[in-house]
Amino acid sequence: EAGVVQSPRYKIIEKKQPVAFWCNPISGHNTLYWYLQNLGQGPELLIRYENEEAVDDSQLPKDRFSAERLKGVDSTLKIQPAELGDSAVYLCASSLVRTGEQFFGPGTRLTVL
Amino acid sequence: ELKVEQNPLFLSMQEGKNYTIYCNYSTTSDRLYWYRQDPGKSLESLFVLLSNGAVKQEGRLMASLDTKARLSTLHITAAVHDLSATYFCAVDSKGGSEKLVFGKGTKLTVNP
Repeated sequence: EAGVVQSPRYKIIEKKQPVAFWCNPISGHNTLYWYLQNLGQGPELLIRYENEEAVDDSQLPKDRFSAERLKGVDSTLKIQPAELGDSAVYLCASSLVRTGEQFFGPGTRLTVL
Repeated sequence: ELKVEQNPLFLSMQEGKNYTIYCNYSTTSDRLYWYRQDPGKSLESLFVLLSNGAVKQEGRLMASLDTKARLSTLHITAAVHDLSATYFCAVDSKGGSEKLVFGKGTKLTVNP
């Protein structure tokens, strides 16, 4: 069974530029999560989707971050414009509704110069 | 607000030795997860603990959960170099498939 797929794996951009990350969850997983992981820290939830609906986006900085999950499968996370402090690893995870166990993708390491 | 604390944050140990990593959390929960992360890699699920008194073992690692004390432990037995990684505990802030709050992680280095 394929795991959570993310792309790109690495991205280097200059500040004020836009950037987008893509995630394909495990087949059949209705719940999708985007996390931010700073160096030396644990992941922090940005947004959680149940199918197409964003059910928890309270930690998403909505002035510059946006996300979508069209058709309840793939998801994209966008930052516009990027700031220096956005440099981090962006992780996508998915889970079956109700079981709770989350499976993580390899992440996208973003560097903002 | 749920807070999760791990200690120690850094652990250097010799091969063959035993040690325990502790995970404390601040509010009631009945789901706790342990993950492993290798440098530059994603998180790998190790254990899912779903009830008070739950104990799970895989190889040289054993995890337990005491919901009354709000404490989970990850015990390492006879450490080997391959166990070197960062270990995170994560607590479900509500029941099932909802918000996970992670600790800061314990970076384990096992020396020959």
